[in-house]
Amino acid sequence: DIQMTQSPSFLSASVGDRVTINCKASQNINRYLNWYQQKLGEAPKLLIYNANSLQTGIPSRFSGSGSGTDFTLTISSLQPEDVATYFCLQHNSWPTFGSGTKLEIK
Amino acid sequence: EVQLVESGGGLVQPGSSLKLSCVASGFTFSSYNMHWIRQAPKKGLEWIALIYYDSSNKYYADSVKGRFTISRDNSKNTLYLEMNSLRSEDTAMYYCARGYYYRYWGQGVMVTVSS
Repeated sequence: DIQMTQSPSFLSASVGDRVTINCKASQNINRYLNWYQQKLGEAPKLLIYNANSLQTGIPSRFSGSGSGTDFTLTISSLQPEDVATYFCLQHNSWPTFGSGTKLEIK
Repeated sequence: EVQLVESGGGLVQPGSSLKLSCVASGFTFSSYNMHWIRQAPKKGLEWIALIYYDSSNKYYADSVKGRFTISRDNSKNTLYLEMNSLRSEDTAMYYCARGYYYRYWGQGVMVTVSS
């Protein structure tokens, strides 16, 4: 199985801050990586697919980068509604997930 | 609007069975592969099963192989997960998700296996 190491597990930032979350794969996954946002009691929402493609309807402050083994989700200017848990998913092979990052407003 | 709504969860004893359902709407269900994914309390997400759009292929994680069965009824826009010989470690929130990109997920249904 491909292991996904996500960091940090917890992040506290101020409104307007630039926020970055990372996922590292244990082997090359090309660009087969998705990022999700999950708010309490809600279904996970796809933000980014194929490492850097923005899902329709997602605000442009969200972006993704990376390829191979190292990937980053960036929120360019944190908004109060971005409080959530974020996780990555690799689908280069049988899917595996990052452990999640809980994001709060400072 | 795409919607996936899971149901059928609950509290069951070890060794018992349970069948989850996921009703899809807002898209052509019969055109998409479907997955079940679960998350145990305070643990990470785990993919557990995949069924092709036409039920021609089914795949399972080793942790559930031989105990769980994924199926679908395209006439009812419904995905199923039949779970047998349940263990305490199967306690989790169970999600259905759509397609190759896992683009849409349901809100999940809780399964608790405890005596």
